[in-house]
Parts: sequence; structure tokens; C-alpha cells
Amino acid sequence: EAQMVESGGGLVKPGGSLRLSCAASGFTFSNAWMNWVRQAPGKGLEWVARVKSKYNGGTTYYAAPVEGRFTISRDDSKDTLYLQMNGLKTEDTAVYYCATEKSGNFDFNYWGQGTLVIVSS
Amino acid sequence: SFELSQPPSGSVSPGQTASITCSGDKLGNSYAWYQQKPGQSPVLVIYQNTNRPSGIPERFSGSISGNTATLTISGTQAMDEADYFCQAWDSSTVVFGGGTKLSVL
Repeated sequence: EAQMVESGGGLVKPGGSLRLSCAASGFTFSNAWMNWVRQAPGKGLEWVARVKSKYNGGTTYYAAPVEGRFTISRDDSKDTLYLQMNGLKTEDTAVYYCATEKSGNFDFNYWGQGTLVIVSS
Repeated sequence: SFELSQPPSGSVSPGQTASITCSGDKLGNSYAWYQQKPGQSPVLVIYQNTNRPSGIPERFSGSISGNTATLTISGTQAMDEADYFCQAWDSSTVVFGGGTKLSVL
């Protein structure tokens, strides 16, 4: 069964940096198109970023609010997805989930349990 | 970019049919629906407009008409009380609806 475990969240000051990790198991990670989705406390879901499989070019995509500040990457040798977050803002406060796509249509079929990022002075 | 609008809340009696709409200002590619219960990660219940992942009960179905996608839950059960989010994408930008809190009363 597919499983993903996020880590790396915590409290950081505005302007600071944080790197999230998502350790995957139970499926062929190298074939998966991976995403980060976040949810601010008590709010809805917001897509953050996507990275395709290396076979499909490893192309990355970002939501407008994080473009230029966040970087999604993957290490297929470690079955791990990353999100490097720089220049953090208070509005980046959220639970960050990693998620796989079922069919290449941004349909997120497996989700991790999430890791909480709090940006506050 | 585009936006997806959902009613913020809805209610249904056990055994009845619940319908949740998701209206876009333009047609997105491939709508999906997620169920999220308090303190849990979202669960995909419908993908590619009408498809149900394995393990999702048959009472969940999806449809699309024009710029509106609809999630229908037939024979609603108490366990279906949750937040439901629609989602679509266009030009590699993903949009979620604001979510509908479904109460089973």
C-alpha cells in the first residue's frame, strides 16, 4: 500500500527558509508525478507545486504565489520528494501535504499525513 | 486562471441523496472531488469527472454539465459527513473550490 510521510515542518520567522521532505513507500516512486498541496488552518486546499517523473522530463510547475520562492525536487534513489521554501511569508502558514497523481490530470490519489509550517515572528 | 465556486455548506438526511455543485467561470480540464474529515488528509472520491477510484463506495458519483461539476452521494450515510472539495486544472495551474461542509442530519 502506498505510504508517504512528510517531515521538516516547524516554526520559522518571515523571510526564513525551510526544507520539507516526503518519504514514499509502497509504490514505484520513480514513475510517479508528485505534488505538494497545502492547507492553511481552517481553510481550503491550495496546490503548490508539481514535478513529473524523470521519464517524462522531470518538469516542474508552481502556483503563482510560490513561484520564484519555492523549489520542488525529487531524489528517486531515496524515494523522497522535497520542497525547498525560501523567503517565507506569514501567508505560507499551512499544513503541507505531498500527493501522487493517479492519471496525470492533477488527480491526487495518495496523500501523506502532512507537516505543519508556521511562519511567524 | 479560473475560479471554482462551491456552496459553503449543505445538509442531507441519512439515506437521502446529496448533491454538491462546483461552478467554474470557464470549463476546466478533468474535475476531481475530495472528501476530508476533521484531522485527516483528503481522500480522492472522483477523478476525471466521473471515475471512482477503487475502494470508494458506489454511492459516490460525479457528473459534469457545461461549466458545472456535480458530486452526488446516493443513500448518504452518517460516515459521509465531511468537507468536500472540487478541483480542476487548466494550463498546468490547479484550482480547488472553497469546499462544502456536508452535514448528515
